[in-house]
Amino acid sequence: GAVVSQHPSWVICKSGTSVKIECRSLDFQATTMFWYRQFPKQSLMLMATSNEGSKATYEQGVEKDKFLINHASLTLSTLTVTSAHPEDSSFYICSVLQASGSETQYFGPGTRLLVL
Amino acid sequence: QKEVEQDPGPLSVPEGAIVSLNCTYSNSAFQYFMWYRQYSRKGPELLMYTYSSGNKEDGRFTAQVDKSSKYISLFIRDSQPSDSATYLCAMSVEAAGNKLTFGGGTRVLVKP
Repeated sequence: GAVVSQHPSWVICKSGTSVKIECRSLDFQATTMFWYRQFPKQSLMLMATSNEGSKATYEQGVEKDKFLINHASLTLSTLTVTSAHPEDSSFYICSVLQASGSETQYFGPGTRLLVL
Repeated sequence: QKEVEQDPGPLSVPEGAIVSLNCTYSNSAFQYFMWYRQYSRKGPELLMYTYSSGNKEDGRFTAQVDKSSKYISLFIRDSQPSDSATYLCAMSVEAAGNKLTFGGGTRVLVKP
């Protein structure tokens, strides 16, 4: 399966600041990546679909101006949480779509964000 | 009603027992079915992938899909303490941008 990395693995920031999270596909070129959010003891919630070279597609209820996604290359997608607030504290996970017949998603290790 | 239902557990079994997990779903358009394992504070790890109906076996893991009943299962044989984790089922519709719809996850505890 695909190898996916995320950086940073955890971040603590003050309310009102912006935080950038990187998602890298290490062993293949990913045209499509996904961003999820997971609150404690809950399942993953899809935030947006990121396609290389085009605008991300956001799920209903996710503010695109607050969660900026950039997928400028086939190996890197970034999620920027702008003007973060304590309610944005969560576990953010990216995945890459390996569309080589099996159409499966492989996930990164996640980034834990704590906004004070 | 959620699109994918999964018992949250926890499911506690002794080491060596068979772990039986399942999900039910309501959308008959789902074609791809997956099981992920997630350890605490880690990203999900793909365990099994099945297209349409049928069984699939990989080592100690067996996945079953019954589309007529809208029911999928995962069995773990000879369970080990290292299998203690949350298991998530996930499904997608072929033409839906490969978006995954997840179950809520079942927490499994394998006691030595």
